[in-house]
Amino acid sequence: GNSVTQMEGPVTLSEEAFLTINCTYTATGYPSLFWYVQYPGEGLQLLLKATKADDKGSNKGFEATYRKETTSFHLEKGSVQVSDSAVYFCAIYSGGGADGLTFGKGTHLIIQP
Amino acid sequence: EAGVTQSPTHLIKTRGQQATLRCSPISGHTSVYWYQQALGLGLQFLLWYDEGEERNRGNFPPRFSGRQFPNYSSELNVNALELEDSALYLCASSFLQGLPYGYTFGSGTRLTVV
Repeated sequence: GNSVTQMEGPVTLSEEAFLTINCTYTATGYPSLFWYVQYPGEGLQLLLKATKADDKGSNKGFEATYRKETTSFHLEKGSVQVSDSAVYFCAIYSGGGADGLTFGKGTHLIIQP
Repeated sequence: EAGVTQSPTHLIKTRGQQATLRCSPISGHTSVYWYQQALGLGLQFLLWYDEGEERNRGNFPPRFSGRQFPNYSSELNVNALELEDSALYLCASSFLQGLPYGYTFGSGTRLTVV
């Protein structure tokens, strides 16, 4: 079956620091890859996605590149802001089955001013 | 275009009661997914409905049930509530062919069992 592994945190950084949140996956077939973000008290929002190898998804200064050879989709941002404090979920979809998206456990990011 | 809407936003019930949560998907989306997000436990998959049928369910007891109506809206019912059912319940929707492009989530219903 499919699975997603990501660092759970909390990850605490200072404002303007460089961010990396690691995500690796195992999947049957050729998955689509996603990052979702959950701000305090809210539901999940799609942050970015990539549907084939070497694609780079980007949004709001965040980027992630689909690395098929290492089965990874690490989230990066060059300079984080306090407003980026949230929980970030990596997810995959590989189709065919009745499982929908498979989510990681989420990484709680805390940005200090 | 309206997003995924969930109601109520907050719900307080006592142990042993029943709770009913509602979800309206984005227009055109036929699939609805329910997740439980308890404190510190990440997202736990509950149920998946498509075209009015239950497609899959997660590892939850039978007192968690639901249905999908002809207009694709959905209802999640939790019977015999227990304290540990307190959580944020999230609904998401997609059209089946759109799964490679992800889900759209609602803002959730916060269920508190006292």
